[in-house]
Amino acid sequence: AAGVIQSPRHLIKEKRETATLKCYPIPRHDTVYWYQQGPGQDPQFLISFYEKMQSDKGSIPDRFSAQQFSDYHSELNMSSLELGDSALYFCASARTGDLNYGYTFGSGTRLTVV
Amino acid sequence: AQKVTQAQTEISVVEKEDVTLDCVYETRDTTYYLFWYKQPPSGELVFLIRRNSFDEQNEISGRYSWNFQKSTSSFNFTITASQVVDSAVYFCALSSPNDYKLSFGAGTTVTVRA
Repeated sequence: AAGVIQSPRHLIKEKRETATLKCYPIPRHDTVYWYQQGPGQDPQFLISFYEKMQSDKGSIPDRFSAQQFSDYHSELNMSSLELGDSALYFCASARTGDLNYGYTFGSGTRLTVV
Repeated sequence: AQKVTQAQTEISVVEKEDVTLDCVYETRDTTYYLFWYKQPPSGELVFLIRRNSFDEQNEISGRYSWNFQKSTSSFNFTITASQVVDSAVYFCALSSPNDYKLSFGAGTTVTVRA
């Protein structure tokens, strides 16, 4: 079965650079969630989209922006990177009517800022 | 506000021992969903189990079992006859139908020694 695809799997950037993380949801899934997991931490909600519109926002820095495109894939753009942005970034997708069953996570993008 | 507490930071056992992971949650919602996820060293989040707030039936699935007690706001998870491959971080999580954002506990690191 198709899963949530995240790219790249690993990314190394220098401070003050920009990074773009991509998420391709499972076909027919219309909802995307982004989470950030710092080293030794639990995942924290960043932002979510439903039908290409932002549906909710968590503790996402102003330096980060995200959108969901017409094909339902989503991108998380991170500018002026800081060392503290080093983390595992997860994307998850679901069909809105099935959200009570939870959603499927991608394998994550590990971002290292040096 | 929702809160999930996993009091156990680390558990170390010898193969074939049983492991029980504790999870206590707080929520003002009358309807909510509880989850357990496994995060092996490779980093992906693997869905294990989901329970509705109105379904207190406990189940056993292979070597996994769970004990949901609404009266004590607990959702404990047991691995029977542990194996080395069970070594991972286990997260308990909670969501509500308001937004379906997952609130994770801090995680319990399980190490199974051969």
